[in-house]
Amino acid sequence: DSGVTQTPKHLITATGQRVTLRCSPRSGDLSVYWYQQSLDQGLQFLIQYYNGEERAKGNILERFSAQQFPDLHSELNLSSLELGDSALYFCASSVGAGSGNTIYFGEGSWLTVV
Amino acid sequence: GQNIDQPTEMTATEGAIVQINCTYQTSGFNGLFWYQQHAGEAPTFLSYNVLDGLEEKGRFSSFLSRSKGYSYLLLKELQMKDSASYLCAVKGSGYSTLTFGKGTMLLVSP
Repeated sequence: DSGVTQTPKHLITATGQRVTLRCSPRSGDLSVYWYQQSLDQGLQFLIQYYNGEERAKGNILERFSAQQFPDLHSELNLSSLELGDSALYFCASSVGAGSGNTIYFGEGSWLTVV
Repeated sequence: GQNIDQPTEMTATEGAIVQINCTYQTSGFNGLFWYQQHAGEAPTFLSYNVLDGLEEKGRFSSFLSRSKGYSYLLLKELQMKDSASYLCAVKGSGYSTLTFGKGTMLLVSP
């Protein structure tokens, strides 16, 4: 158990819908990351927050957004869902945002879009 | 940008030693990580190298050569439970985050 908590674990929804994935980082970690993992793409970095502020952005679609709240938990919002958005979404956290900080992953949220 | 290459699949026998290679090209370098991921589960941290040389941790060791843009993960005394995907990840300069390779699927057979 990494200490990173994600909910829900599984989610099935229809195309065009919107979902919210939630993440609680490890105690003491200020940085939260979101990754998407699909069979053919591997782990793709979406976005990073550090202490409530957006720190880095990867290949995140405009239909997706995220935020980190004052209590440091984070939410990833996925809207206008398409079949291709079906994937395993991981949240990860680390103490800081710079080099050398080990990133610890949550168990992931399986999203299936039908 | 960053480019990370590792073999797609490897097979080995229980009790043997296997070396998983990773080559990378990055704009700036602030460390290389190895993660293990069983199917459908979270990646778990194995090792971190930022300086050249070998880091040993039990049955697992990781090596880094920054000048060659090369790392390997060495697994000794292989066990069936070591069957998993092994992900090489590189941290670039500044506040850049980890970029992951596509992973090497290791199958350990009896």
